[in-house]
Amino acid sequence: AQRVTQPEKLLSVFKGAPVELKCNYSYSGSPELFWYVQYSRQRLQLLLRHISRESIKGFTADLNKGETSFHLKKPFAQEEDSAMYYCALMQGAQKLVFGQGTRLTINP
Amino acid sequence: TAGITQAPTSQILAAGRSMTLRCTQDMRHNAMYWYRQDLGLGLRLIHYSNTAGTTGKGEVPDGYSVSRANTDDFPLTLASAVPSQTSVYFCASSAGTGEANYGYTFGSGTRLTVV
Repeated sequence: AQRVTQPEKLLSVFKGAPVELKCNYSYSGSPELFWYVQYSRQRLQLLLRHISRESIKGFTADLNKGETSFHLKKPFAQEEDSAMYYCALMQGAQKLVFGQGTRLTINP
Repeated sequence: TAGITQAPTSQILAAGRSMTLRCTQDMRHNAMYWYRQDLGLGLRLIHYSNTAGTTGKGEVPDGYSVSRANTDDFPLTLASAVPSQTSVYFCASSAGTGEANYGYTFGSGTRLTVV
């Protein structure tokens, strides 16, 4: 079955330090993966799509099919990065399966 | 601003009562979804609709029903609420797949407390 695992429920780093939010998936086909972010009191919004290979707000994520991972990285964390982050896998036609989420806190 | 509107924003509901959570989008997206968000469990799909007139069950459909009479509206009904349905409910929509797939657009959520 398709599954997305985010092993860390909570992650705390200091401002300026590197950040890596882990995401592993299980999927038999060619995966479409996403990262969503939910800032405090705001709706979920799309952060990254692996298919577009983009960098948004300094974040990048590389699909590693060998390790079945799609970790989210940023070299220098900023306080405004504090949020809830969800990794998601497109299952079949248009249905997203989400991980459990990681709450990222950036300490000043 | 174009997007998804959910109502109400929050609700306290007595157990055993029924309630309909409303969701409307103005983007002409074909697909719509209902998720519940629970701490430690992430977002779980309740029901979905790939196009107007069709619906399907997600991961946690029991106790919920949906309808999709037109493209814009996708209401979620709790026929007889139970405390375990206390959660934050998010409606979402999407336009397509592949390169055209920009993921989902989410509503702002409905916080439901069943007492």
